[in-house]
Amino acid sequence: DAKTTQPTSMDCAEGRAANLPCNHSTISGNEYVYWYRQIHSQGPQYIIHGLKNNETNEMASLIITEDRKSSTLILPHATLRDTAVYYCIVREGSNFGNEKLTFGTGTRLTIIP
Amino acid sequence: KAGVTQTPRYLIKTRGQQVTLSCSPISGHRSVSWYQQTPGQGLQFLFEYFSETQRNKGNFPGRFSGRQFSNSRSEMNVSTLELGDSALYLCASSNPLGTLGNIQYFGAGTRLSVL
Repeated sequence: DAKTTQPTSMDCAEGRAANLPCNHSTISGNEYVYWYRQIHSQGPQYIIHGLKNNETNEMASLIITEDRKSSTLILPHATLRDTAVYYCIVREGSNFGNEKLTFGTGTRLTIIP
Repeated sequence: KAGVTQTPRYLIKTRGQQVTLSCSPISGHRSVSWYQQTPGQGLQFLFEYFSETQRNKGNFPGRFSGRQFSNSRSEMNVSTLELGDSALYLCASSNPLGTLGNIQYFGAGTRLSVL
């Protein structure tokens, strides 16, 4: 699996958009970008994933650059409950074989009241 | 649909004992993966089971083992516990026969303390 680089920590004001960057310069053509978050001592929660197009769901938006070497997770209106560690992961999206997720150290996002 | 269920939520053991943790995946999910999370090493992949067969294994000693039953429920076992085995053990399930880019869903974890 390709490696990812994320800032160690970020702050965001409550109500503002939180933009979390991720670099994955060695991503290969069949690897997806996944985002998970982990609120203190709970299991990681799936947020969103994508291959090359931008994606949006009820939780967040994922913007992937055209060369796919980086991406940004956007939480449009951050609340205090969004305080968590956010993990950017790249993984081959094949139907068989590799279910392993390789977690880095993630970004600790703190929402400031 | 019920999520991934892990039991027990908390466990205290002493060095040298063994422990068995249980994971019930989301209904219809056939793949179960196990992860260990410690403050020093972060989240690390232990192993993955699909249709009762171990398909992938992380870099952990043989004291860590697992199995999967025909109903996709999984157990992991740690024998001869060491202090360093104290961790949050997480289970994730997925349906790898679904659409490409399948999603893994995690349980709340079992927190194991070894004294």
